[in-house]
Amino acid sequence: AAGVIQSPRHLIKEKRETATLKCYPIPRHDTVYWYQQGPGQDPQFLISFYEKMQSDKGSIPDRFSAQQFSDYHSELNMSSLELGDSALYFCASSLGRDRRGEAFFGQGTRLTVV
Amino acid sequence: DAKTTQPTSMDCAEGRAANLPCNHSTISGNEYVYWYRQIHSQGPQYIIHGLKNNETNEMASLIITEDRKSSTLILPHATLRDTAVYYCIVRVSYSGAGSYQLTFGKGTKLSVIP
Repeated sequence: AAGVIQSPRHLIKEKRETATLKCYPIPRHDTVYWYQQGPGQDPQFLISFYEKMQSDKGSIPDRFSAQQFSDYHSELNMSSLELGDSALYFCASSLGRDRRGEAFFGQGTRLTVV
Repeated sequence: DAKTTQPTSMDCAEGRAANLPCNHSTISGNEYVYWYRQIHSQGPQYIIHGLKNNETNEMASLIITEDRKSSTLILPHATLRDTAVYYCIVRVSYSGAGSYQLTFGKGTKLSVIP
């Protein structure tokens, strides 16, 4: 079965650079979630989208922005990168119409800021 | 969302049942109990969820107490591949569609021992 696809899998950026992470949800899923997981930490919710509209917002820095496109894929844009942004970034998708629908996670993008 | 409390770590002998407890004493009537696990640095993996009845699938069983203040995830025959951090998450379910993010707390690190 198709899963959530994230790209790239690994990314190395320098401080103050920008990065764009992409997420392709499971076909027919209309909801996307972004999570950040720092070293030794638990996943922290950043932001979510339902039907191409922002749905919920968590602890996403102002330097980050995200959107969901007409084909339901999503991109997380990160600017003015800081060393502390080094983390695993996970995307998850679900079928929003099913209020009990479980969210399925991608394998993540490992961002390293040097 | 209601907070959950889980043991920090547990060991289980290979081939034996692993019973992972979770306390969610402030759970509301419209909140589901979800279980996810994360195998080292991989994306969290959905295991099972329930509202008030016990649930079983090919991966695990979920036992929810009658007052819904606690639950137990049961892996019937633990294998080395089940070594992971297990997260118990309580998530509200509204009446309409949308995105309902999962809030990860401190999970249980399960070590399956040969």
